[in-house]
Parts: sequence; C-alpha cells; structure tokens
Amino acid sequence: AQSVTQLGSHVSVSEGALVLLRCNYSSSVPPYLFWYVQYPNQGLQLLLKYTTGATLVKGINGFEAEFKKSETSFHLTKPSAHMSDAAEYFCAVTHTGGFKTIFGAGTRLFVKA
Amino acid sequence: NAGVTQTPKFRVLKTGQSMTLLCAQDMNHEYMYWYRQDPGMGLRLIHYSVGEGTTAKGEVPDGYNVSRLKKQNFLLGLESAAPSQTSVYFCASSYERAVQYFGPGTRLTVT
Repeated sequence: AQSVTQLGSHVSVSEGALVLLRCNYSSSVPPYLFWYVQYPNQGLQLLLKYTTGATLVKGINGFEAEFKKSETSFHLTKPSAHMSDAAEYFCAVTHTGGFKTIFGAGTRLFVKA
Repeated sequence: NAGVTQTPKFRVLKTGQSMTLLCAQDMNHEYMYWYRQDPGMGLRLIHYSVGEGTTAKGEVPDGYNVSRLKKQNFLLGLESAAPSQTSVYFCASSYERAVQYFGPGTRLTVT
C-alpha cells in the first residue's frame, strides 16, 4: 500500500530564508510524485511533479524537489522564501499503474517579515 | 477555459437533508474525482470516475453517491447528511492518470 508522510504540520521561515518541506513516501512500485500548493480558500494547484528521468525537478515560483529513491524522499525546497509563498503544501504519490493519488496531511508554511 | 468549476461554493444543511454537489470541467478530461478535506488529514478520495458512465469507490465512500452521465460533469450526492460530513469538498479532473486539476471547493456544514 502507498502512503505519504509529511514531517511537520507547520513550518515557519523568515523572508529570504531557505524553505525545506519534507516528504517521505512508501510505494511498492515506481511512483509518480507531486507537490501541490493550496492558497487560502482555493483549490490545490500543481507545483511540480516527478514521473521518470531527471531526479531533480523544477516547478513554478522557484520551487524544486529531488526524488531520492534510496531514501524514499521527495523534499521540496526554495532558496529564498517570499511572503507570497505562505500557503499549505501537499505531497502526493500515485503509482504508475493506478488512478488513485494518496495525499499527505499537508504542511502549512508561514513566512515572517 | 474555466477549468474545473464547482457548485455551490457554500452550503449549510440540517441532519438528514439531502443535496447534490455539481462539478464541471471543460478540458475534455476522462478522469474525475471527488475528495474531502479535513484539518490534519489531507485530501481523502470519496469516489472517482474513469470515463462517462463509470464510477468507482475511493477511500471514504460511505454516505455518498456519484454519477457521471456526461463526460464533463461529475455529481456527488449526499442522501441523508450527517454532521460527520461537514467538510470542504474538492472535485478534480485529469487527462493522464496523474496530474489533477482542482476546483475551488465547496464548504459544507451539517448541523
């Protein structure tokens, strides 16, 4: 069975600081991995995805994530936080043969001025 | 393109009442999904559809029914609402079996 664990329900950083949101997954088959972002009172939107190929993937708004198979991780990073990055972030996994996507519980990012 | 739209945006029901949530997408996607979002639990899949006329159960289907009579629409029904169904409901659609496009959500309160 697949599962997704996001470490830390809340993360707070200062503006300009590194953002690191952690995600670990379990999957018995090669996974597709995603990060979605949810701004207040909105639906989720795709930030980036890993399917195959290069393990470092770049997304929108300067975010990137690295797929590390040996660590079963897909951590999200951004070198310099901006106030507009304050949102909730969800890691998700779908295995290559399935329809169902499993979402993590989410990490709310706070950015301090 | 409007993308994925949901109707209504907000609703308050009394226990035992029924209602239908409507999801519409204009991207010609085959796959459509209904999720509920509760604090600290992420999104949980209620039902999904892999094409017009087909539906399947997700992780938390009890108390809900769905229909996909037209490719662009996916309806979620609550026959007899319960307070445990107070949640934010999201519809999503996808072309491939991966990237999903989400609607803005429906906030439902059952008293």
